[in-house]
Amino acid sequence: QSALTQPASVSGSPGQSITISCTGTSGDIGNYNYVSWYQQYPGKAPKLLIYEVTKRPSGVSNRFSGSKSGNTASLAISGLQPEDEADYYCSSYRTTSILEVFGTGTTVIVL
Amino acid sequence: QLQLQESGPGLVKPSETLSLTCSVSGGSVNSSGFFWGWLRQPPGKGLDFIGTMHYSGAGYYNPSYESRITVSVDASRNQFSLKLTSVTVADTAVYFCARRSAAGGELDVWGQGTSVTVSS
Repeated sequence: QSALTQPASVSGSPGQSITISCTGTSGDIGNYNYVSWYQQYPGKAPKLLIYEVTKRPSGVSNRFSGSKSGNTASLAISGLQPEDEADYYCSSYRTTSILEVFGTGTTVIVL
Repeated sequence: QLQLQESGPGLVKPSETLSLTCSVSGGSVNSSGFFWGWLRQPPGKGLDFIGTMHYSGAGYYNPSYESRITVSVDASRNQFSLKLTSVTVADTAVYFCARRSAAGGELDVWGQGTSVTVSS
């Protein structure tokens, strides 16, 4: 099954804001509000940042926010900090697979 | 606080069966609002959802693996398991267990991951 499409990398300077896109189809992101975002440091397990497009679990910084327009979901990180340097994955429910499918992953680089 | 811990062999021979267990602490696998799942991440690659199971027996498998996988939940031991048959070198990956919300599908609690190498 094909993955959702994310940019390979996004970079920004400390204090700046960046946005990571996640493009799917009408069979996943476009018709379902079940988009999640995960942060993963090298050698570690992913951590849930955003679920159901815009919701943040308790304990996640409000510098992270999610949105969706059409078949594309986005994760915004404001006030970029050195510790935000990590890999980020989106995921979405997909009709044809029942299970969630993941994005290709984006590496955030803090300059 | 719910915690998950994977266990199993780090090395499996080609054509054999990979068996992994995820022990659950600080909570119960008998939670109606959650499924229990397995994912994997090949070296340098992204995440792939293998399969997920509810304690009631309802489950979903990734079609890419469906003929080779079994996910089961053992409420008496408060753990769940993955069996992957006929492994090849392509099954070499870090395997994660995770809790999946039945409502929104998000994976809100993860194990630390266990590295599995398929090699003769």
